[in-house]
Amino acid sequence: EAQVTQNPRYLITVTGKKLTVTCSQNMNHEYMSWYRQDPGLGLRQIYYSMNVEVTDKGDVPEGYKVSRKEKRNFPLILESPSPNQTSLYFCASRGGQETQYFGPGTRLLVL
Amino acid sequence: GESVGLHLPTLSVQEGDNSIINCAYSNSASDYFIWYKQESGKGPQFIIDIRSNMDKRQGQRVTVLLNKTVKHLSLQIAATQPGDSAVYFCAGRYNFNKFYFGSGTKLNVKP
Repeated sequence: EAQVTQNPRYLITVTGKKLTVTCSQNMNHEYMSWYRQDPGLGLRQIYYSMNVEVTDKGDVPEGYKVSRKEKRNFPLILESPSPNQTSLYFCASRGGQETQYFGPGTRLLVL
Repeated sequence: GESVGLHLPTLSVQEGDNSIINCAYSNSASDYFIWYKQESGKGPQFIIDIRSNMDKRQGQRVTVLLNKTVKHLSLQIAATQPGDSAVYFCAGRYNFNKFYFGSGTKLNVKP
């Protein structure tokens, strides 16, 4: 089954404790992206990647890092999480066609 | 950043009626638009898309209309069913890899 997976689905952490949210897709897509979703604001793009070792900032990259060492994986790294990064995070991928496929989401709470 | 606004936060319709969800966008350079459906606890699901060189596109029970003159996008759902109850939001693309999203309209379908 074609899908985008994210782990963990739920995470509670404390301010300053580094964390990584993994994202993996099995569709051999070149493009992957991370979004955060906050009430009343909709999805906002954090980072995206056009291919292995090629990444670029979206609209809200501050406080986040990404890497793309393999085509299927695109982890989101929070080196020093802060409470304002409490949010619902989505990973997405797309191939030659334009349709983006979204993962199930990761709900993060930073205390 | 770019923004996509929605005219109504909540829309209630009777089962069997047609639903129309509207969206306004600000970036005239957007070349591609998408409508997504998001059910509670799930990631956004692609419904239908349209390129900027088109005015209308139809899918199964759904139609998207694009009016570039007034920068307006709408989603029409025919014969709305209880399973259509969800949050719907539009998205636009610019610079090929960057996406912006509206905050969503909650569609309630009354039996």
